[in-house]
Amino acid sequence: DQQVKQNSPSLSVQEGRISILNCDYTNSMFDYFLWYKKYPAEGPTFLISISSIKDKNEDGRFTVFLNKSAKHLSLHIVPSQPGDSAVYFCAASEDFGNEKLTFGTGTRLTIIP
Amino acid sequence: DAGVIQSPRHEVTEMGQEVTLRCKPISGHNSLFWYRQTMMRGLELLIYFNNNVPIDDSGMPEDRFSAKMPNASFSTLKIQPSEPRDSAVYFCASRRGGLVYEQYFGPGTRLTVT
Repeated sequence: DQQVKQNSPSLSVQEGRISILNCDYTNSMFDYFLWYKKYPAEGPTFLISISSIKDKNEDGRFTVFLNKSAKHLSLHIVPSQPGDSAVYFCAASEDFGNEKLTFGTGTRLTIIP
Repeated sequence: DAGVIQSPRHEVTEMGQEVTLRCKPISGHNSLFWYRQTMMRGLELLIYFNNNVPIDDSGMPEDRFSAKMPNASFSTLKIQPSEPRDSAVYFCASRRGGLVYEQYFGPGTRLTVT
């Protein structure tokens, strides 16, 4: 039972445009969400997070939006840069991050120069 | 600061052999997590520790897998005996705790069982 779903295995975006990565979850107990970025042969790197008490969190070019009623979150990257090409994982946790993370299967983002 | 350290980076072994993966978490972090990444199942949590105590091992596939954390700076994941289906990348991650919820991952160990 996949509690965190990333339905798009891959996404290609032109450099300079906006990249939008999507994530859906089924467990209503999740209240903390994170995005990780992974390059080949490296471990995932933390990117940005959001608590369920917010609906938006922004950090530079990265913004995460949370729609609790739809159990959906998205990561916006603008403008997209070639270095953003990586696999992006969505993760969720209960107890505001104090519990274990459940990861989605990832979306491979390719930025086209 | 040094990040999470894992060894070995690559391991190739024959079916039936014992495999031990090692992890040194970031100093000062009080939670440690072991994950396995496969094409089919993505990143799945195997076990995690808080203050060296195992909290949740429900993700450990079967009795062939065991994990220990004898002190705050070292953990092992052991597979005995290993099988070809154990081939995957195994990640260790640590978390500071308190109000800091992000987990920091090591570079992973790529295990191939032939």
